[in-house]
Amino acid sequence: GAGVSQTPSNKVTEKGKYVELRCDPISGHTALYWYRQSLGQGPEFLIYFQGTGAADDSGLPNDRFFAVRPEGSVSTLKIQRTERGDSAVYLCASSLTSGGAFGTQYFGPGTRLTVL
Amino acid sequence: GESVGLHLPTLSVQEGDNSIINCAYSNSASDYFIWYKQESGKGPQFIIDIRSNMDKRQGQRVTVLLNKTVKHLSLQIAATQPGDSAVYFCAEIFSGGYNKLIFGAGTRLAVHP
Repeated sequence: GAGVSQTPSNKVTEKGKYVELRCDPISGHTALYWYRQSLGQGPEFLIYFQGTGAADDSGLPNDRFFAVRPEGSVSTLKIQRTERGDSAVYLCASSLTSGGAFGTQYFGPGTRLTVL
Repeated sequence: GESVGLHLPTLSVQEGDNSIINCAYSNSASDYFIWYKQESGKGPQFIIDIRSNMDKRQGQRVTVLLNKTVKHLSLQIAATQPGDSAVYFCAEIFSGGYNKLIFGAGTRLAVHP
């Protein structure tokens, strides 16, 4: 079946602009996660959704970052007033549940964000 | 596509040899560990996992070993193939919660024919 999809695959923007990154999880997966990966490093947790609610947003770096999942499926990561330091690959993952044997996270291909 | 692991430690092996990739994890309270493979331009791909009540788990051509005493995890790949070339990350999950992954630094595996 279809895996996690993310759009766009690449996004180039100018400093100060607003961007939205979209994630379509695997159908039926209730848990959704956003991570950020800088070059040469492992992914870093940003936010976790269980259904429609953000259960943990402790990884969001500041209030310029916000994410929603209004219908418990598609999620959008929103970044306001982008800065050059926001440049990274933004990864989305989903899992059937949030724990136990069905909690394996499956990742999308990521969105590469470049802030000029 | 995105280039992963430009500054990561590299393990170079010959095709057909066995590979061992090591990882030190950070939290003694972690109770679930996963290995991911990441190819350039792609997201991490699940390989194998292990719970803290186990010390070894085997999959197809892969084995994960867990040493909780020294907080060490290893991934063994048998008969390494060119398609195994990628960056490998270990990840841990703290006990009592949901699956918030904490990733290690990663190791690049380069397989030479």
